[in-house]
Amino acid sequence: DTGVSQDPRHKITKRGQNVTFRCDPISEHNRLYWYRQTLGQGPEFLTYFQNEAQLEKSRLLSDRFSAERPKGSFSTLEIQRTEQGDSAMYLCASTLPQREGDEQFFGPGTRLTVL
Amino acid sequence: AQSVTQLDSQVPVFEEAPVELRCNYSSSVSVYLFWYVQYPNQGLQLLLKYLSGSTLVESINGFEAEFNKSQTSFHLRKPSVHISDTAEYFCAVSDRNFNKFYFGSGTKLNVKP
Repeated sequence: DTGVSQDPRHKITKRGQNVTFRCDPISEHNRLYWYRQTLGQGPEFLTYFQNEAQLEKSRLLSDRFSAERPKGSFSTLEIQRTEQGDSAMYLCASTLPQREGDEQFFGPGTRLTVL
Repeated sequence: AQSVTQLDSQVPVFEEAPVELRCNYSSSVSVYLFWYVQYPNQGLQLLLKYLSGSTLVESINGFEAEFNKSQTSFHLRKPSVHISDTAEYFCAVSDRNFNKFYFGSGTKLNVKP
């Protein structure tokens, strides 16, 4: 257990439905990242927050995706009008960047299956 | 932008044999380098990292990796593997502001008895 939690762990939905995932980072970590991992691939960067500010978004994050981190604590990732291609493991990670660097701590992920 | 290439998707090896998992990266800026491990049914865990200083870094369970700037490589090695090392290993790079992390596609290490 890294201290980063994600909920739910599994989500099965029908195409066209909206889904929302939650990530709770390690409490003192000010940076929070979202990744997507498909079968046979490494995690792909989606977006990251510094406290409550969303500082960068990948081109992978289409208009159907939105992420928030109110008050700089937990974060949510919402996918609207899900498509079968959205099926993947969604990973959250948090870190406290320091001058000499620090690692990312990953949560267990939310596995999304879109039928 | 950075990118990471792990050429070997699977590496089968017998127990107590040496192993090398290859990682090459490309970047126009200085980077930090990482190896993460994912054991079956578990999340990603940091194995080791290179930030600065000695180009040879070691993990607590006997793995080591060497940063080679001229060859833009960060290969992971272990002189004698154990069954418990069976896992998927991901190489990753980040810029020095930790704005983004880029991961390779992973190498599945399968240690056979």
